[in-house]
Amino acid sequence: DAGITQSPRHKVTETGTPVTLRCHQTENHRYMYWYRQDPGHGLRLIHYSYGVKDTDKGEVSDGYSVSRSKTEDFLLTLESATSSQTSVYFCAISDSTLAGVTGELFFGEGSRLTVL
Amino acid sequence: AQKVTQAQTEISVVEKEDVTLDCVYETRDTTYYLFWYKQPPSGELVFLIRRNSFDEQNEISGRYSWNFQKSTSSFNFTITASQVVDSAVYFCALSEARQGGKLIFGQGTELSVKP
Repeated sequence: DAGITQSPRHKVTETGTPVTLRCHQTENHRYMYWYRQDPGHGLRLIHYSYGVKDTDKGEVSDGYSVSRSKTEDFLLTLESATSSQTSVYFCAISDSTLAGVTGELFFGEGSRLTVL
Repeated sequence: AQKVTQAQTEISVVEKEDVTLDCVYETRDTTYYLFWYKQPPSGELVFLIRRNSFDEQNEISGRYSWNFQKSTSSFNFTITASQVVDSAVYFCALSEARQGGKLIFGQGTELSVKP
């Protein structure tokens, strides 16, 4: 199994509070992603990173920010959580070694966030 | 725009039945990748298969088989002789080569296999 750890695994918070989810990998993979999973929508990409300090927006990036100061860590921050951000968040990593080739994505176990 | 549609929201079968999960995709790229992932009740996402757009050969892995047809933009997944352990949500996903590793997922199909 790919070494991906997400923390916290479960969190309940109140509207308006900041929340940070952490994704830690031990695989030294270049690419890291944050997805959210909601019923009827499958998984949707929030942000991704293609290297240290290199990040970009995904499909549903509004209300989220990310940072990657080390290869192994990718942080997802909700500056002011809203009820619409109640979801299960998945981190994923991949190591596309060939340009233009999409490698297999390995997923973490997910972080369930509830915003009251 | 790229899109993945899994029209079957839920499927229920009895053990040992064969079942096919449908996946239809949209893309303007000529080079792209298609994936299937399994999400069992425990919640993790398990990679099943990756197929590139230049390889239309069908693939079989044990009881699992995949039928890729570019003419109909479909990448269907069949489980032969289903088992209770196959009960899960299955996701089809698409990635365009020029978009790197960003996957676009379908809505998922929840498969329930009853004993």
